[in-house]
Amino acid sequence: DAGVIQSPRHEVTEMGQEVTLRCKPISGHDYLFWYRQTMMRGLELLIYFNNNVPIDDSGMPEDRFSAKMPNASFSTLKIQPSEPRDSAVYFCASQTSGGNEQFFGPGTRLTVL
Amino acid sequence: GEDVEQSLFLSVREGDSSVINCTYTDSSSTYLYWYKQEPGAGLQLLTYIFSNMDMKQDQRLTVLLNKKDKHLSLRIADTQTGDSAIYFCAESINFNKFYFGSGTKLNVKP
Repeated sequence: DAGVIQSPRHEVTEMGQEVTLRCKPISGHDYLFWYRQTMMRGLELLIYFNNNVPIDDSGMPEDRFSAKMPNASFSTLKIQPSEPRDSAVYFCASQTSGGNEQFFGPGTRLTVL
Repeated sequence: GEDVEQSLFLSVREGDSSVINCTYTDSSSTYLYWYKQEPGAGLQLLTYIFSNMDMKQDQRLTVLLNKKDKHLSLRIADTQTGDSAIYFCAESINFNKFYFGSGTKLNVKP
């Protein structure tokens, strides 16, 4: 298995633009998580899905952030409009319902100028 | 909410032992974890311990859990330069929602 796949690996955009981050979880995993990593706040859970349904989005910082999971093999995290304080590394992770390990993707480094 | 605390930095010499400490607040944690993040990469699971255990050993790694003090530690014996990375402590209560510490950056000097 290729592991959790994220794209793009790096994104540089200007303030006000829409940003879409993509994630493909490991096949057969029914939980998907979006995290944000910054120096100031460490690793924060933004939202997680079970069987494509959002379970807990209490970590989503603002209405500018939205996440979807249209099917078991794809999820997006969208920021519209983006702001410089959104600059961070965004990780996607997946997990099986019977397992106790989360498998992380390589992350997307987002820079908003 | 749950709070997982770690010191930010640790520097050791190659061949020495490293001890990375973590405190957590939720006594109902089911599992506690140590993840490793190498530069430019995602987090990888190093080891984990079930909350009813006191110690777990896995080759050069020793995990100690003090439930009374809500303290978790990771000891790396014979630390190598390849061990330089950020180490995250995490707890889970319901197997799915993980709470991560801010990470401890381990620097191993040759």
